[in-house]
Amino acid sequence: KAGVTQTPRYLIKTRGQQVTLSCSPISGHRSVSWYQQTPGQGLQFLFEYFSETQRNKGNFPGRFSGRQFSNSRSEMNVSTLELGDSALYLCASSLVGGSGNTIYFGEGSWLTVV
Amino acid sequence: AQKVTQAQTEISVVEKEDVTLDCVYETRDTTYYLFWYKQPPSGELVFLIRRNSFDEQNEISGRYSWNFQKSTSSFNFTITASQVVDSAVYFCALSEVSGNEKLTFGTGTRLTIIP
Repeated sequence: KAGVTQTPRYLIKTRGQQVTLSCSPISGHRSVSWYQQTPGQGLQFLFEYFSETQRNKGNFPGRFSGRQFSNSRSEMNVSTLELGDSALYLCASSLVGGSGNTIYFGEGSWLTVV
Repeated sequence: AQKVTQAQTEISVVEKEDVTLDCVYETRDTTYYLFWYKQPPSGELVFLIRRNSFDEQNEISGRYSWNFQKSTSSFNFTITASQVVDSAVYFCALSEVSGNEKLTFGTGTRLTIIP
Protein backbone atom coordinates (compact mmCIF):
# COMPACT_ATOMS: atom_id res chain seq x y z
CA LYS A 1 0.00 0.00 0.00
CA ALA A 2 1.54 3.29 -1.12
CA GLY A 3 2.13 5.95 1.51
CA VAL A 4 1.52 9.66 1.34
CA THR A 5 3.30 11.05 -1.71
CA GLN A 6 4.48 14.61 -1.98
CA THR A 7 5.92 16.43 -4.96
CA PRO A 8 8.27 18.04 -5.55
CA ARG A 9 10.70 16.90 -2.88
CA TYR A 10 13.04 19.85 -3.20
CA LEU A 11 12.64 23.24 -4.74
CA ILE A 12 14.24 26.64 -4.72
CA LYS A 13 12.23 29.78 -5.35
CA THR A 14 12.93 33.49 -5.40
CA ARG A 15 11.30 36.01 -3.10
CA GLY A 16 8.04 37.26 -4.54
CA GLN A 17 7.36 34.12 -6.56
CA GLN A 18 4.63 31.67 -5.83
CA VAL A 19 4.82 27.91 -5.32
CA THR A 20 2.42 24.99 -5.51
CA LEU A 21 3.03 21.77 -3.63
CA SER A 22 1.16 18.56 -4.30
CA CYS A 23 0.08 15.72 -2.06
CA SER A 24 -1.47 12.35 -2.84
CA PRO A 25 -2.93 10.71 0.27
CA ILE A 26 -2.97 7.04 1.07
CA SER A 27 -5.61 5.30 -0.99
CA GLY A 28 -8.97 5.51 0.76
CA HIS A 29 -7.96 8.38 3.01
CA ARG A 30 -10.22 11.40 2.72
CA SER A 31 -8.67 13.84 5.16
CA VAL A 32 -5.55 15.70 4.11
CA SER A 33 -3.73 18.18 6.30
CA TRP A 34 -0.63 20.30 5.84
CA TYR A 35 2.09 21.31 8.28
CA GLN A 36 5.03 23.67 8.09
CA GLN A 37 8.24 22.75 9.88
CA THR A 38 10.95 25.32 10.58
CA PRO A 39 13.85 25.27 13.05
CA GLY A 40 12.44 28.27 14.87
CA GLN A 41 8.73 27.49 15.03
CA GLY A 42 8.76 23.71 14.90
CA LEU A 43 5.81 21.85 13.40
CA GLN A 44 2.81 24.06 12.83
CA PHE A 45 -0.59 23.17 11.44
CA LEU A 46 -1.53 24.96 8.25
CA PHE A 47 -4.93 23.57 7.25
CA GLU A 48 -6.99 20.45 6.83
CA TYR A 49 -9.30 19.36 4.03
CA PHE A 50 -12.01 16.78 3.95
CA SER A 51 -14.30 16.09 1.01
CA GLU A 52 -12.91 19.11 -0.84
CA THR A 53 -13.78 21.44 2.04
CA GLN A 54 -11.38 23.22 4.35
CA ARG A 55 -12.39 22.21 7.86
CA ASN A 56 -9.71 23.84 9.91
CA LYS A 57 -7.05 26.46 9.39
CA GLY A 58 -3.98 27.35 11.39
CA ASN A 59 -2.64 30.79 12.14
CA PHE A 60 -0.99 31.62 8.82
CA PRO A 61 -1.45 34.61 6.52
CA GLY A 62 -3.72 34.49 3.52
CA ARG A 63 -0.73 33.94 1.24
CA PHE A 64 -1.02 30.30 2.25
CA SER A 65 -3.91 28.52 0.61
CA GLY A 66 -4.88 25.05 -0.37
CA ARG A 67 -7.47 22.91 -2.01
CA GLN A 68 -8.55 19.34 -2.27
CA PHE A 69 -9.80 17.55 -5.34
CA SER A 70 -12.54 14.97 -5.66
CA ASN A 71 -9.96 12.16 -5.61
CA SER A 72 -8.71 13.50 -2.24
CA ARG A 73 -5.44 14.73 -3.70
CA SER A 74 -4.48 18.11 -2.34
CA GLU A 75 -2.38 21.08 -3.29
CA MET A 76 -1.14 23.97 -1.25
CA ASN A 77 -0.04 27.29 -2.65
CA VAL A 78 2.10 30.02 -1.21
CA SER A 79 2.04 33.34 -3.00
CA THR A 80 4.47 36.23 -2.77
CA LEU A 81 7.14 34.10 -1.15
CA GLU A 82 9.18 35.49 1.70
CA LEU A 83 12.51 34.27 3.03
CA GLY A 84 10.74 33.08 6.16
CA ASP A 85 8.67 30.66 4.11
CA SER A 86 11.71 28.46 3.71
CA ALA A 87 10.68 25.26 5.44
CA LEU A 88 9.79 21.62 5.17
CA TYR A 89 6.15 21.31 4.19
CA LEU A 90 4.58 18.07 5.30
CA CYS A 91 1.35 16.59 4.09
CA ALA A 92 -0.58 14.07 6.15
CA SER A 93 -3.59 11.92 5.51
CA SER A 94 -6.06 9.95 7.56
CA LEU A 95 -9.23 7.98 6.89
CA VAL A 96 -11.88 10.49 7.88
CA GLY A 97 -10.23 12.78 10.35
CA GLY A 98 -11.53 14.13 13.63
CA SER A 99 -11.91 10.81 15.38
CA GLY A 100 -8.39 10.05 16.39
CA ASN A 101 -7.55 8.14 13.26
CA THR A 102 -3.91 7.49 12.79
CA ILE A 103 -2.38 10.31 10.78
CA TYR A 104 0.30 9.34 8.28
CA PHE A 105 2.82 11.77 6.88
CA GLY A 106 4.67 12.04 3.60
CA GLU A 107 8.36 12.75 3.18
CA GLY A 108 7.73 16.43 2.75
CA SER A 109 8.68 19.13 0.29
CA TRP A 110 11.79 21.10 1.15
CA LEU A 111 11.25 24.71 0.05
CA THR A 112 14.11 27.19 -0.02
CA VAL A 113 13.34 30.83 -0.74
CA VAL A 114 16.30 32.95 -1.85
CA ALA B 1 -5.52 25.64 24.28
CA GLN B 2 -3.53 22.49 23.80
CA LYS B 3 0.15 22.27 24.53
CA VAL B 4 2.77 19.55 24.32
CA THR B 5 6.09 19.89 26.11
CA GLN B 6 9.18 17.85 25.39
CA ALA B 7 11.68 19.22 27.85
CA GLN B 8 14.59 17.17 26.53
CA THR B 9 16.02 18.95 23.51
CA GLU B 10 18.84 16.51 22.83
CA ILE B 11 19.82 13.15 24.29
CA SER B 12 22.89 11.08 23.53
CA VAL B 13 23.34 7.53 24.74
CA VAL B 14 25.75 4.76 23.95
CA GLU B 15 24.41 1.94 21.85
CA LYS B 16 22.56 -0.77 23.79
CA GLU B 17 21.63 1.58 26.60
CA ASP B 18 17.98 2.22 27.39
CA VAL B 19 16.61 5.72 26.86
CA THR B 20 13.33 7.39 27.84
CA LEU B 21 11.86 10.37 26.04
CA ASP B 22 9.53 12.53 28.09
CA CYS B 23 6.29 14.13 26.96
CA VAL B 24 3.90 16.24 29.02
CA TYR B 25 0.68 17.59 27.57
CA GLU B 26 -2.06 20.05 28.43
CA THR B 27 -5.63 19.93 27.20
CA ARG B 28 -9.08 20.82 28.45
CA ASP B 29 -10.65 17.98 26.52
CA THR B 30 -11.64 14.79 28.27
CA THR B 31 -11.25 12.83 25.06
CA TYR B 32 -8.07 13.18 23.10
CA TYR B 33 -5.38 11.19 21.33
CA LEU B 34 -1.65 11.09 21.83
CA PHE B 35 0.93 10.15 19.23
CA TRP B 36 4.64 9.56 18.91
CA TYR B 37 6.41 10.12 15.61
CA LYS B 38 10.01 9.57 14.57
CA GLN B 39 11.68 11.87 12.05
CA PRO B 40 14.89 10.61 10.42
CA PRO B 41 17.06 13.01 8.41
CA SER B 42 15.00 12.32 5.27
CA GLY B 43 12.21 14.39 6.80
CA GLU B 44 9.31 11.97 6.83
CA LEU B 45 7.40 11.70 10.08
CA VAL B 46 7.12 8.00 10.82
CA PHE B 47 4.15 6.99 12.94
CA LEU B 48 5.08 4.97 16.03
CA ILE B 49 2.03 4.80 18.29
CA ARG B 50 -1.39 6.27 18.98
CA ARG B 51 -3.11 6.14 22.34
CA ASN B 52 -6.55 7.46 23.27
CA SER B 53 -7.28 9.16 26.56
CA PHE B 54 -9.40 6.27 27.83
CA ASP B 55 -6.71 3.70 27.37
CA GLU B 56 -4.04 3.98 30.01
CA GLN B 57 -2.74 0.51 29.43
CA ASN B 58 0.93 0.70 28.77
CA GLU B 59 2.28 -1.02 25.73
CA ILE B 60 5.41 -2.80 24.69
CA SER B 61 6.26 -3.37 21.06
CA GLY B 62 9.61 -4.99 20.53
CA ARG B 63 12.24 -2.62 21.86
CA TYR B 64 9.70 0.19 22.25
CA SER B 65 7.44 0.80 25.23
CA TRP B 66 5.10 3.59 26.20
CA ASN B 67 4.00 4.83 29.62
CA PHE B 68 0.77 6.83 29.59
CA GLN B 69 -0.21 8.41 32.91
CA LYS B 70 -3.29 10.56 32.76
CA SER B 71 -2.87 11.71 36.37
CA THR B 72 0.39 13.45 35.48
CA SER B 73 -0.51 14.23 31.85
CA SER B 74 2.53 12.35 30.63
CA PHE B 75 3.10 10.03 27.71
CA ASN B 76 6.68 8.83 27.85
CA PHE B 77 8.47 6.65 25.34
CA THR B 78 11.27 4.20 26.11
CA ILE B 79 13.67 2.47 23.76
CA THR B 80 15.46 -0.50 25.26
CA ALA B 81 18.78 -1.76 23.95
CA SER B 82 19.11 1.27 21.68
CA GLN B 83 20.60 0.94 18.21
CA VAL B 84 22.27 3.42 15.90
CA VAL B 85 19.23 3.27 13.60
CA ASP B 86 17.17 4.76 16.42
CA SER B 87 18.98 8.07 15.95
CA ALA B 88 16.35 10.59 14.89
CA VAL B 89 14.16 13.39 16.18
CA TYR B 90 11.16 12.13 18.11
CA PHE B 91 7.95 14.11 18.37
CA CYS B 92 5.07 13.75 20.75
CA ALA B 93 1.72 15.09 19.52
CA LEU B 94 -1.82 15.61 20.75
CA SER B 95 -5.09 15.74 18.85
CA GLU B 96 -8.59 16.60 19.88
CA VAL B 97 -11.65 14.63 18.90
CA SER B 98 -13.55 17.57 17.56
CA GLY B 99 -14.56 16.82 14.02
CA ASN B 100 -11.40 17.97 12.38
CA GLU B 101 -7.85 16.80 12.16
CA LYS B 102 -5.17 18.85 13.82
CA LEU B 103 -2.08 17.74 15.66
CA THR B 104 -0.32 19.87 18.22
CA PHE B 105 3.32 18.88 18.33
CA GLY B 106 6.01 19.19 20.94
CA THR B 107 9.32 20.69 19.97
CA GLY B 108 10.94 17.30 19.53
CA THR B 109 13.82 15.45 21.14
CA ARG B 110 16.91 14.76 19.06
CA LEU B 111 18.19 11.32 19.99
CA THR B 112 21.71 10.32 19.07
CA ILE B 113 22.89 6.77 19.59
CA ILE B 114 26.65 6.57 19.84
CA PRO B 115 28.13 3.36 18.45
